[in-house]
This record gives sequence, structure tokens and C-alpha cells, in this order.
Amino acid sequence: QKEVEQDPGPLSVPEGAIVSLNCTYSNSAFQYFMWYRQYSRKGPELLMYTYSSGNKEDGRFTAQVDKSSKYISLFIRDSQPSDSATYLCAMSRGGYSSASKIIFGSGTRLSIRP
Amino acid sequence: EAGVAQSPRYKIIEKRQSVAFWCNPISGHATLYWYQQILGQGPKLLIQFQNNGVVDDSQLPKDRFSAERLKGVDSTLKIQPAKLEDSAVYLCASSTDRGSGELFFGEGSRLTVL
Repeated sequence: QKEVEQDPGPLSVPEGAIVSLNCTYSNSAFQYFMWYRQYSRKGPELLMYTYSSGNKEDGRFTAQVDKSSKYISLFIRDSQPSDSATYLCAMSRGGYSSASKIIFGSGTRLSIRP
Repeated sequence: EAGVAQSPRYKIIEKRQSVAFWCNPISGHATLYWYQQILGQGPKLLIQFQNNGVVDDSQLPKDRFSAERLKGVDSTLKIQPAKLEDSAVYLCASSTDRGSGELFFGEGSRLTVL
């Protein structure tokens, strides 16, 4: 069993729709939860970062962490064609450096239709 | 602020040949990472440096891969001899280790092994 599971998609939705992206994980030691966005032929860039459980909102993006279920989500409201990208969830155990041992999901490819 | 620089962007070699990738992290970032991203998968950590020292190289195939970080700044990743399954994008990332868990990625070096 992989430590982090993510549906690869592809997911295609019309512009303006609410998008829900999800990951599950098996290691209860994960404390830091992140979502990265990766455009084609580019490196990933950090979109959202959450420590432990709870919600975090940033503009049109909301990240949720449910540690009891080992489940994290990213919601995109009022989706735009510019949101078309691959979304990678990532998790870390923390320790000496919170950026240590970051493990990525396989990514969900999202396409927003105009 | 200049981002993470990587070169070359693209490289095509035949199996059993050698290749080297170079990375210059963001100025002042103490931690440097090399990730391997195979098509359709999430990035997999190969090696993590903290200044000059290696923090984690547990997933680096040491019989063919080597990496060094010169004077705690630039880094080189070498593959010798290359195998077909090494075809991937090699991503370099750096971070400040201020606890944000944010990695700054370069655009990657795309390797094709024929």
C-alpha cells in the first residue's frame, strides 16, 4: 500500500464549477499537509499548506485535513481555465525540519473547460 | 528574487551512457532536494542536503546515481550508467527550513534514455 493515494483523473469540469480533489494516506505520523500545482513542463509550486487538522482558506482555494479519517481535500471555487494543471498532494512527518521527508501523491490532472 | 535554476532542460542519451544535471538553489536556502518524477507519477525524493551534508539518500540508487553539493550552494546529480527506466524529469528544489514546508522547485531536467 502506498503511503499517499491520489486519484490520477483526468478530471474535466466546466468553468465556474466547484472542484474537489482528494488524497488518502496511511501514515498517522504525517503532520504537515500541502497541495502543489504543476503546470505542464514546469516544476510544482506550493498552493496551500496546513498543519495538523482543520480548514484553511485562501481566495478561491480551501484545504481540509481530517486526520481521524486520514483524508485531505482541496476545493476550488469558481474554477477558471487557468486552474487547468496537475494537483499534487504532499505530506511530511516533520522533525528536525518540517520540509523533511515530503512525500507526494501521484497527482490529479484537472482540466477546466471554458 | 531569482528562482531555482537547473540545466540542461532536456537531455537524450543512450543506455549505459552517463549524464549530469546541475542545480543552483535560491540564495540563502540551506536545504536542497533532488526529486525524480516519472511520467504520470508524483515526485520521488532521491536525496536531501542540509548545507553540505546529506540528510536523506535512502531512495537514491547508489550503484548508478551520485550527488554532491559544492560549498553548500550548487549541486550536481550524476547518473552512470543510465538505464531505460531512468527516463524521467529530475527536479531540484530548495527551502529555507523556517517551518513552512514550502519547497521552491526549478523547471526540471527532462531525461530520455534510448
